[in-house]
Amino acid sequence: GENVEQHPSTLSVQEGDSAVIKCTYSDSASNYFPWYKQELGKRPQLIIDIRSNVGEKKDQRIAVTLNKTAKHFSLHITETQPEDSAVYFCAASTAQLTFGQGTILTVHP
Amino acid sequence: NAGVTQTPKFRVLKTGQSMTLLCAQDMNHEYMYWYRQDPGMGLRLIHYSVGEGTTAKGEVPDGYNVSRLKKQNFLLGLESAAPSQTSVYFCATQLLGNTGELFFGEGSRLTVL
Repeated sequence: GENVEQHPSTLSVQEGDSAVIKCTYSDSASNYFPWYKQELGKRPQLIIDIRSNVGEKKDQRIAVTLNKTAKHFSLHITETQPEDSAVYFCAASTAQLTFGQGTILTVHP
Repeated sequence: NAGVTQTPKFRVLKTGQSMTLLCAQDMNHEYMYWYRQDPGMGLRLIHYSVGEGTTAKGEVPDGYNVSRLKKQNFLLGLESAAPSQTSVYFCATQLLGNTGELFFGEGSRLTVL
């Protein structure tokens, strides 16, 4: 089955800096790559997704890039704010989603 | 419009006891999922359903059973709880499978002593 590895497990940045989270996947048939944000004590919520026929997608301060040849995709957050502090999960899908282990992002004011 | 509702929110069990978690949705979504979340391990799929009357195993199905007798409800059962099943459980729904947004419930925290 699919295996998704996510790095780093924790990431600490200063407000205004950029943050990058990287994921690799194993199944070349995966065609959908969403990112979920989970604030402390809350449910995960979709923040951005990308499909296999697209290399990059941007939504305001967040962007996702996909390299199908290398089987990796990344989340980029620019101009980070304290409210960006959360756990971020990547996922890859052929039939069902397989999630990465999560990254705890802390943005210091 | 409640979305996805899980009950109970918290439960403490003794080893060997049984219990059922209920997931109810009013979104008319076909697909429903049960995940467990453990520190450092992300969200792992337990069982899922692609429609009323269907169920299938996910990545970590052992020790759990599920039923989807009605489209809006997806039940997760633990017949004989073990300490290894201490976790936060999330139900999620999806309009159609594979490439759609998952809508999660608020989670149910289960502790097995």
